[in-house]
Order: sequence, then structure tokens, then C-alpha cells
Amino acid sequence: GAGVSQSPSNKVTEKGKDVELRCDPISGHTALYWYRQSLGQGLEFLIYFQGNSAPDKSGLPSDRFSAERTGGSVSTLTIQRTQQEDSAVYLCASSSQPAGELFFGEGSRLTVL
Amino acid sequence: RKEVEQDPGPFNVPEGATVAFNCTYSNSASQSFFWYRQDCRKEPKLLMSVYSSGNEDGRFTAQLNRASQYISLLIRDSKLSDSATYLCVVNPPYSSASKIIFGSGTRLSIRP
Repeated sequence: GAGVSQSPSNKVTEKGKDVELRCDPISGHTALYWYRQSLGQGLEFLIYFQGNSAPDKSGLPSDRFSAERTGGSVSTLTIQRTQQEDSAVYLCASSSQPAGELFFGEGSRLTVL
Repeated sequence: RKEVEQDPGPFNVPEGATVAFNCTYSNSASQSFFWYRQDCRKEPKLLMSVYSSGNEDGRFTAQLNRASQYISLLIRDSKLSDSATYLCVVNPPYSSASKIIFGSGTRLSIRP
């Protein structure tokens, strides 16, 4: 069965470049979350989408970060003018209901040189 | 006080041992609770939900104590494959669904 799919799995970029990370949630899951995990650290909430409601962007660390979710399905996280401190694994998770069990993708590992 | 606090670990125990982790939470209105497992350089995966009545899944037992605001995970007859980081997850009321709180994780290492 299809789980949460993320791409790219690895991305190496130069400081100052923009990157886009994609998440394809489980079909029918209305809730979608983005988290960031730095090496050896816990999960840091970034943004939450639920159906057609306005997203909760309270976790985005700066205005260089943005995300959208088109048609209630695929989501894209965009980081503009990347900095070295943006290096981390970006995890996407979806759920069939708000605050339900989360199913995670394998993550996108971002390295900013 | 952190919203969710876990035993710091790391726990290093021999194969076959019983090990227990605790996790305390601060929001008494928290709705649901989970234990996730995260292997090194992998994504978290649900291990089990935690119910007020306690629940068991094979060698794993989870307990919730709402009065004292903590959850626990007990692993019996531990296997080498149990080595991982265990994340306590506390879910808010439905209206605050984005505020799922992950604990920082407890690292478990099972030695032969």
C-alpha cells in the first residue's frame, strides 16, 4: 500500500539557493504535518494543514520558509535563500483525522553547504 | 516545565531484560497518547497507542495515568531489535490538532 512519499530523499544545495521539498500524503488523509529534525535532536513542528482550513504556520522559523498544499493532497515546503542552519531532515506526516495517528514519510535530508 | 518530558536515557540493557520508560505531560486537557519508535536515521513509526485502561501488545505494555499526567512503556524480554529511540507523543484536544507534542525521545540500546 502507498504510504507517505517524500522527495527528494537527499538534497545538497549551496547557501543562498532556494529548495522545494515535496510530500505526497496517504490518499484520503486530511491532516498533513511538516516537521524538522536536526541530527540527534527531537522533532520540531513547522506547519499543519487540515482539509480546507487555514494552515497553522506557527512553527515556521522564519519568513524564508513557506508551504502550500494543493487540492488537499500534495504539499510543498519551500525554503528560500537557504542557510547552513537549515540543514536537517524534513519529515512529512499525514493522518486520517486531526490529532490522530501520524504516518511519516522517510524524510528529505537537506544539506546546505 | 516542558510540555512533554521523557526519561533522558540512554538505557543500555542486556538482551532479555525488562526496561521501562516514563513520560510526563503538562496539559491536563491532552486527548490521546502514543508511543512511537524511531530507528537511527529513519522516520518515526507508531509503536502503540496508550489507553487509560492500559494496553498490551506482545512484549510491550503501555499505561496512562491521567491523575498524575504520565504515560509509561514497559518492554519485557527485550530483543536486540528493540534498540531504537522511543518517542512519547501527546495529542491535544481536537481543536488544537497542530499542537501534537513529541518528547525528545529515550534512547534504548540492547546488548547481547
